[in-house]
Amino acid sequence: EVQLLESGGDLVQPGGSLRLSCLASGVILSGYAMVWVRQAPGKGLEWVSTISGSGGGTFYTDSVEGRFTISRDDSKNTVYLQMNSLRAEDTAVYYCAKVGGANDLHYWGRGTLATVSS
Amino acid sequence: QSALTQPASVSGSPGQSITISCTGTSDNVGGYNLVSWYQQHPGKAPKLIIYEVKRRPSGVSNRFSGSKSGNTASLTITGLQAEDEADYYCCSYAGSKIFVVFGGGTKLTVL
Repeated sequence: EVQLLESGGDLVQPGGSLRLSCLASGVILSGYAMVWVRQAPGKGLEWVSTISGSGGGTFYTDSVEGRFTISRDDSKNTVYLQMNSLRAEDTAVYYCAKVGGANDLHYWGRGTLATVSS
Repeated sequence: QSALTQPASVSGSPGQSITISCTGTSDNVGGYNLVSWYQQHPGKAPKLIIYEVKRRPSGVSNRFSGSKSGNTASLTITGLQAEDEADYYCCSYAGSKIFVVFGGGTKLTVL
């Protein structure tokens, strides 16, 4: 059974940093693209970032470009999201998801809550 | 403002059928046969129910079906059941840089 487990969410002040992790089990992530998607309280889903299967390609939504960095360590079967210069509007549940062959988000984790507030 | 437009809410009685629309542009829905749909119950993670416009993952009921015409995709649920009450999101591939865009979500109420 494929499972993705996010961690690292916390309460942080504006301007602070968080590093989210997404640990996979039941599947080897190597070669598969992975994404982070977030959901602000009471709001819809928003794509945040994608990392290619090789790790050589990374992509970000405009609002996080230059502040967030996605990376992967296939030896640990883990994907990361480093979030710097956090803003109140970054407050959300952050989900990681494994990308399927049709660019669908085939498997999702349970999410981790990042709260940016003073 | 979401890139894809969905109705905020739909409702139906048990046993009935409903359809949720998802309207985009030629840059996303209309340009690729890569539309997916996700079901999300309160407090839970989204779950993939349709991908590549009309394909169902293993284990998803055949009461769920998808289609697309031009820039609009649709999700149809037949034989509504109480457990179908949830939020539904459409999603489309939008190119290598943007990757995917989502609809704003539709709340389905089973009366």
